[in-house]
Formats: sequence, C-alpha cells, structure tokens
Amino acid sequence: KAGVTQTPRYLIKTRGQQVTLSCSPISGHRSVSWYQQTPGQGLQFLFEYFSETQRNKGNFPGRFSGRQFSNSRSEMNVSTLELGDSALYLCASSVRGQNPNEQFFGPGTRLTVL
Amino acid sequence: GQNIDQPTEMTATEGAIVQINCTYQTSGFNGLFWYQQHAGEAPTFLSYNVLDGLEEKGRFSSFLSRSKGYSYLLLKELQMKDSASYLCAVRSGGSYIPTFGRGTSLIVHP
Repeated sequence: KAGVTQTPRYLIKTRGQQVTLSCSPISGHRSVSWYQQTPGQGLQFLFEYFSETQRNKGNFPGRFSGRQFSNSRSEMNVSTLELGDSALYLCASSVRGQNPNEQFFGPGTRLTVL
Repeated sequence: GQNIDQPTEMTATEGAIVQINCTYQTSGFNGLFWYQQHAGEAPTFLSYNVLDGLEEKGRFSSFLSRSKGYSYLLLKELQMKDSASYLCAVRSGGSYIPTFGRGTSLIVHP
C-alpha cells in the first residue's frame, strides 16, 4: 500500500504571497489532518477533513484554509504569507472511527518564507 | 485545553535502557500515543494506550496511568538508530485527533 504523499517537498516564497500544499492519503483513508511543525512550538494541529467537510480546527488564523476532494485528497492554502509561517507542514491520514485510529504521516512540505 | 509535558532532550548509551516520561492534563481522556520522528522524516506510530498498564512491543514498551495523567515510553537495548525525537500525543473529549507534546530528542551515543 502506498503511503501518504505530499507535494511539493520544498517551497520558497516571499512575504505576502500565497501557497497551496497538496496531500494524498493512503488508499481507503478518508480523514486527512494538517499540522505545522516548528522547533519552538512542536507539532501543532491546523485542521482535519473527513468526507470533504472540515471536522476539527486548531487555533490558527483565517489565512490558513483547506479543502478535501471526493477522492479524499486534500489541499491546504496559506494566504498573505508571513515570516513566521516558515515551517514543516505535515499531513496525516487515518481511517477514523476505528481504534486506535493512529495517524500515518506524509514526508511533509518544508516552506520557507523570505 | 490540554497540557502535555515531556523532557526536551535525553542522552543514553548504546545497549542501555531509557525511559521517556510524559505527563498530561486533560478532560475526557481517550487514548495516548507515542510516535518516533527521525530528523528530516515524518513521525511514525509506535504505540497506543487507552487502559492503565504496560503494553510491550519488542524493544519498546509504553505505560499508562490515567489517574496520575502519566505515561512513559521504555526503550531497551538501545541502538544508534534509536536517536530520534519521541512525541507523546493525547486524545480527549471525543475528538479523533490527538494533541502532541513538543517531543523529546533522544541522543544515543556509543
């Protein structure tokens, strides 16, 4: 079974620009979660999508948004980029509703904002 | 909200045993996970505890005490490849999504 894939793997943007990241979950997984990982804050939850609907949301500003398509693939968008948005963005997929419901993480997209 | 604490960094010697602690404060506890993350790689699932006690899986074991809000990950017969960050994550309040601690960076030296 193929793992979670994320594209692109690396991205460099400048302040004020916007960016779209993509995540393809493991086949059969319908839940996709997004996380931001930085050395100072660790792994912080952004949002979760299940069946094309946002089910949970973390404490991030509205500049961070996402969506999920009918094939469970998900995209995350960050508008008006700030220097502090530089981070590793990880997506994770899971079956949902079946304990332990562990999450399977993709390799991440390393975003650098200049 | 949730508060999850784990040591920032630990060092240990190859072949030894190390215990990484995690304490948490939450309401509606619904499971605790441990993940391993090597530098530059994605976190990978190690263990899941929802009931009190010890779960053993090869060289790795995880313990949970719900009344104390405490868990530990025990790594035996340490190998150099065990050098990684270990993330404790707690699920609560009916959510499927766990909250992660900041991770413990384990350095194994010869």
